[in-house]
Parts: sequence; structure tokens; C-alpha cells
Amino acid sequence: QSALTQPASVSGSPGQSITISCTGTSSDVGGYNYVSWYQQHPGKAPKLIIYEVTNRPSGVPDRFSGSKSGNTASLTISGLQAEDEADYYCSSYTSSSIKFGGGTKVTVL
Amino acid sequence: EVQLVQSGAEVKKPGESLKISCKGSGYSFTNYWIGWVRQMPGKGLEWMGIIYPGDSDTKYSPSFQGQVTISADKSISTAYLQWSSLKASDTAMYYCARLDYSKFDYWGQGTLVTVSS
Repeated sequence: QSALTQPASVSGSPGQSITISCTGTSSDVGGYNYVSWYQQHPGKAPKLIIYEVTNRPSGVPDRFSGSKSGNTASLTISGLQAEDEADYYCSSYTSSSIKFGGGTKVTVL
Repeated sequence: EVQLVQSGAEVKKPGESLKISCKGSGYSFTNYWIGWVRQMPGKGLEWMGIIYPGDSDTKYSPSFQGQVTISADKSISTAYLQWSSLKASDTAMYYCARLDYSKFDYWGQGTLVTVSS
């Protein structure tokens, strides 16, 4: 059961936009609109920031957005801020399996 | 307010058994799956399994099937993760999280398990 594939690191300057990709297969990311994204700051529990590909939970800033094309989902952070520096994980859900990506470290330059 | 409160950090020796807990409050505990997620030091998140406290239906990741046991006591709104014989490689942070259909929407604070001789 392979993990989803994410870039190890992405960086950007304050105010810029960055995009993190999450590649799976037609059996997970591509087959269902059940992709979630989690933000994790050092020493903290993960926090849900995107669910069902494009939806934001209440309280999550609208600079976070999600999309999907084929077997690849993406998280875009627009107007990057210092507090966005964290690890980000994608996840796919099916009725029999949950997968996480390997994680992407976002650095704000 | 939905809360998941996990038991405290543990230090164990190889071969010992361990059971850690996750107590839910602020919602109907029996109506949502609870998942367990491992995070080894400096590494990413790994799904271990989920349990539906309403009927104790359990699903395991193939990577963890037979290595751990997930259980729940709905009378006290608590889910458990247990090992019968710990290994050094079980050293990790373990999180419980509520599964709201396809997403883990609330997370516990984590339980650090250290296994060392």
C-alpha cells in the first residue's frame, strides 16, 4: 500500500503563492473526491485545512485552496505568510483504506 | 466543543505490553469512526486503523494488521491502541483522530511512546 507522493519541500517569499502536489492513482486520489490536506506545525497535532478536494473547514483562511486533476491533487497557498511555515500532508480516503502523502515542508523565505 | 484527550507519554522496554487511550467528548462518540495515526521521529503520518465505537467494527492498514490491536469502550467514550510486545521501532508519536466521513476533523494531542532497553 504505497503512500501518496508529495515533494519534500517547497519554499516561497511572503506574499507569493505556492502549490504542493499530491500524486496517487486511479484507485485513490483519481477515483474519488475524498482528498484532504493537513497542516502540522512542529510539536503540534495535525490540523485539517482542506477536505473533499476543495472545501475549507470553518476558520481556515481562504488563502488555502485545493484542486484536483486526474490522479494529482494540489494545495495552493496564496499570499504566503510567516505562520504558514509548516509541514503539509495530503490524504486520500476510500471505504477500505486511508493513505497519507509523505509530507511537504513549506519554508517562508 | 469536540475534544479528544489522549493518555500521557510512556517509556517502555522491548517486549513489554502497552495500551494507550483516547477519550472523546463534546459529540456522540458512538456515531463517528476513530482513527489512529503513527508519526515516527522526524517522519510523516501513517494511518494505522480505524474503529467504529458503536459496534466495534475495525479496519486495519495492511502495514499494521497483526502488529497492534484497536479497541473501544463506548460506555466511557474511549478508544484504545495496544501492543502485546513492543519493539524499539514502535518508538513514535501516536495520534487519535475523529473520522468525519472522509476526513480527520479533530485530533488528539498525541501520545509519545518510547521503547528502549
